[in-house]
Amino acid sequence: DAKTTQPPSMDCAEGRAANLPCNHSTISGNEYVYWYRQIHSQGPQYIIHGLKNNETNEMASLIITEDRKSSTLILPHATLRDTAVYYCIVRFSSGGSYIPTFGRGTSLIVHP
Amino acid sequence: DAGVIQSPRHEVTEMGQEVTLRCKPISGHDYLFWYRQTMMRGLELLIYFNNNVPIDDSGMPEDRFSAKMPNASFSTLKIQPSEPRDSAVYFCASRFSGEISDTQYFGPGTRLTVL
Repeated sequence: DAKTTQPPSMDCAEGRAANLPCNHSTISGNEYVYWYRQIHSQGPQYIIHGLKNNETNEMASLIITEDRKSSTLILPHATLRDTAVYYCIVRFSSGGSYIPTFGRGTSLIVHP
Repeated sequence: DAGVIQSPRHEVTEMGQEVTLRCKPISGHDYLFWYRQTMMRGLELLIYFNNNVPIDDSGMPEDRFSAKMPNASFSTLKIQPSEPRDSAVYFCASRFSGEISDTQYFGPGTRLTVL
């Protein structure tokens, strides 16, 4: 799986958009970008994933650059409950002998 | 579905004792993963199963750790004998290979403290 690089920490004001970057310059053509988050004392939770096109769901939006070397997770209106560690993972999808590596992620603090 | 269920949620034991952590995956899921999380090392994959068969246990720290999955609805992670450095939060996760998003679903974790 391609390696990812994320800033260790970020902060955001409540109600504002939180934009979390992820660098994955060695990504290959059939690797997906996944985002999970881990709220304190809970297990990681899936947020969103994508291959080439931008994706949006009820939780967030995922913007992938045209060369796919980086992506941004967008929380459009951050709330205090969005304070968590956010993990960007690049991997092949659809089963197989996939072994996920979560890395250190970005610790996002949403302040009032 | 109740999600992935883990028990106990908290375990405090003394060094040298045997510890057994339990996991019930989401019904119908064919992959099960055991992770360990510490401040120093982050979230580490210990072992995973596919259709109850262990596929890769290269993340298991040493012979003191063992994991079993006797059926599709139950798995255990055992530490014998336990040591203080085993103190961590242990997560179980499951996944259905037929799901398009290929998402892993995590349990609430077991916080283990070895004194």
